[in-house]
Amino acid sequence: QKEVEQNSGPLSVPEGAIASLNCTYSDRGSQSFFWYRQYSGKSPELIMSIYSNGDKEDGRFTAQLNKASQYVSLLIRDSQPSDSATYLCAVNSGGSNYKLTFGKGTLLTVNP
Amino acid sequence: DAGVIQSPRHEVTEMGQEVTLRCKPISGHDYLFWYRQTMMRGLELLIYFNNNVPIDDSGMPEDRFSAKMPNASFSTLKIQPSEPRDSAVYFCASSRQGGYEKLFFGSGTQLSVL
Repeated sequence: QKEVEQNSGPLSVPEGAIASLNCTYSDRGSQSFFWYRQYSGKSPELIMSIYSNGDKEDGRFTAQLNKASQYVSLLIRDSQPSDSATYLCAVNSGGSNYKLTFGKGTLLTVNP
Repeated sequence: DAGVIQSPRHEVTEMGQEVTLRCKPISGHDYLFWYRQTMMRGLELLIYFNNNVPIDDSGMPEDRFSAKMPNASFSTLKIQPSEPRDSAVYFCASSRQGGYEKLFFGSGTQLSVL
């Protein structure tokens, strides 16, 4: 089983809608969870981090974490065409291991 | 701060040639990561360093790949000999606290092995 799985997409939503991106992970000891955005031909950039169960909101973005279900999600409200990108879920395994494992990403297209 | 600097941006080489990718992390960042990105496999961690010491190289695909960090300001990823299946985008990233906080990525090196 791959360590970090994302819904493969692509995901297409109309402008102004809510985009929902999902991610599951296999290591129950994971402690840190991140969402990166990657525009075509560019490098990944961090948009959200979450460390404890529940919701974390930042502007139009909300990250949700459920450690019991080993599930992380990202909601984008009032989606804009500029949100069109690949969204990468990343998980840190915790303990003494500082490495960050990425999912394969979900391509989101927001249609005007 | 100039960010993470990678060179070259693009590299085209022939099978069997040696390829060296370079990275300058952000000053003060103790962790440096090398990732490889392909459509099929996504973003894969190859190796990471802490204070110039390689900590986990389990992602290095085979002995043809090697990485060094001779000082806090410079790291190299070398492929010798290169093969067409090594074609990918190679990213270097750095951070203060490893995978516990934000990784700053360089612009990447697009490698094409013909």
